[in-house]
Amino acid sequence: SQTIHQWPATLVQPVGSPLSLECTVEGTSNPNLYWYRQAAGRGLQLLFYSVGIGQISSEVPQNLSASRPQDRQFILSSKKLLLSDSGFYLCAWELVTEAFFGQGTRLTVV
Amino acid sequence: AQSVSQHNHHVILSEAASLELGCNYSYGGTVNLFWYVQYPGQHLQLLLKYFSGDPLVKGIKGFEAEFIKSKFSFNLRKPSVQWSDTAEYFCAVNSRGGADGLTFGKGTHLIIQP
Repeated sequence: SQTIHQWPATLVQPVGSPLSLECTVEGTSNPNLYWYRQAAGRGLQLLFYSVGIGQISSEVPQNLSASRPQDRQFILSSKKLLLSDSGFYLCAWELVTEAFFGQGTRLTVV
Repeated sequence: AQSVSQHNHHVILSEAASLELGCNYSYGGTVNLFWYVQYPGQHLQLLLKYFSGDPLVKGIKGFEAEFIKSKFSFNLRKPSVQWSDTAEYFCAVNSRGGADGLTFGKGTHLIIQP
């Protein structure tokens, strides 16, 4: 069966520090992968998506970047975190007909 | 650009009350419609979805939603809620045939009081 792993579940990082969130998928090949963020008081917002290795599309200009080094691995990164990067980050594997989500990462930048 | 609007951000009901959560979307093309739910401490999961055909769709746990094309709406309903329905509910759309992800509403935090 399809499974999506995302870690860590919670993270507290100081302003200016780097970030790396990892997401891996099991049980499928060549999945479409997505990173979403939910900031306080706002809905889930699409940040990046990838339809294949090395292919990244960015929806919102920001302090973050994404990479897809392997077929079933999707990484969200930042070189220097800002306070405004705090939020809940979700990785998703999506078909047109349904999406499967990771557990999410609660990031607090202090 | 697509957008999804959920009318109620916080809803508090008593057990056995009827539920209706509003969702309207804006999009120029043909869309698929979804309701996702996140129970406390759990992953976001699919509640129900509409692609085509009968505009009244039934999902898990007694939920249903009706697609009204003329109103661009996809409201979620349940005749009698239970305490275990306490959760965050998200309406979402994606474009048919596209890979550009889901557009979510802001979510509705539903609290059911025993």
